[in-house]
Amino acid sequence: ELKVEQNPLFLSMQEGKNYTIYCNYSTTSDRLYWYRQDPGKSLESLFVLLSNGAVKQEGRLMASLDTKARLSTLHITAAVHDLSATYFCAVDPRLEARQLTFGSGTQLTVLP
Amino acid sequence: NAGVTQTPKFQVLKTGQSMTLQCAQDMNHEYMSWYRQDPGMGLRLIHYSVGAGITDQGEVPNGYNVSRSTTEDFPLRLLSAAPSQTSVYFCASSYTDAKWETQYFGPGTRLLVL
Repeated sequence: ELKVEQNPLFLSMQEGKNYTIYCNYSTTSDRLYWYRQDPGKSLESLFVLLSNGAVKQEGRLMASLDTKARLSTLHITAAVHDLSATYFCAVDPRLEARQLTFGSGTQLTVLP
Repeated sequence: NAGVTQTPKFQVLKTGQSMTLQCAQDMNHEYMSWYRQDPGMGLRLIHYSVGAGITDQGEVPNGYNVSRSTTEDFPLRLLSAAPSQTSVYFCASSYTDAKWETQYFGPGTRLLVL
């Protein structure tokens, strides 16, 4: 059974600080996704990581994938209040269909 | 494009009632799926479909039925609602053969079963 673990589950940080969210998964996969969810809203796609060593950046967020370690990270640089949300990673180990297994999410609060 | 749409947005049911959650997409995506989200948890896959006429079970299929008669629509049926089915339900769609494609999620349906 595929398990996807995120940590921390809750993160409160000051504006301007840096931090990293970790996503570990238990089975081989070369496809990993990061999503953002605002309270009461749907999921918004942030990054699709498709190979070992993949790195993608968008604004203050940077995601990376290490398939050998089965680890993805989401790094936040100089956090701002607008980044407050819940962040999910999801893994899709199957090639023939898209069946995502999600982590429990990291609830990020950026304090002024 | 409207993207992925879901109706209703909110629903209250009594135990034992049945209902259908509607999902439609206008992006000509082959793949569609239903997830449920419970407090403090990530989304869990209920059922999915890789094309019209083809459906399969996900991680938590019990108590739910699906069908896929057209590419656009993928309704989720609750046969006899139970309080354990209180959740937020998300429909998603994507291309199946585009590795770089993400899944696009609908706005969700909040269901309360009393």
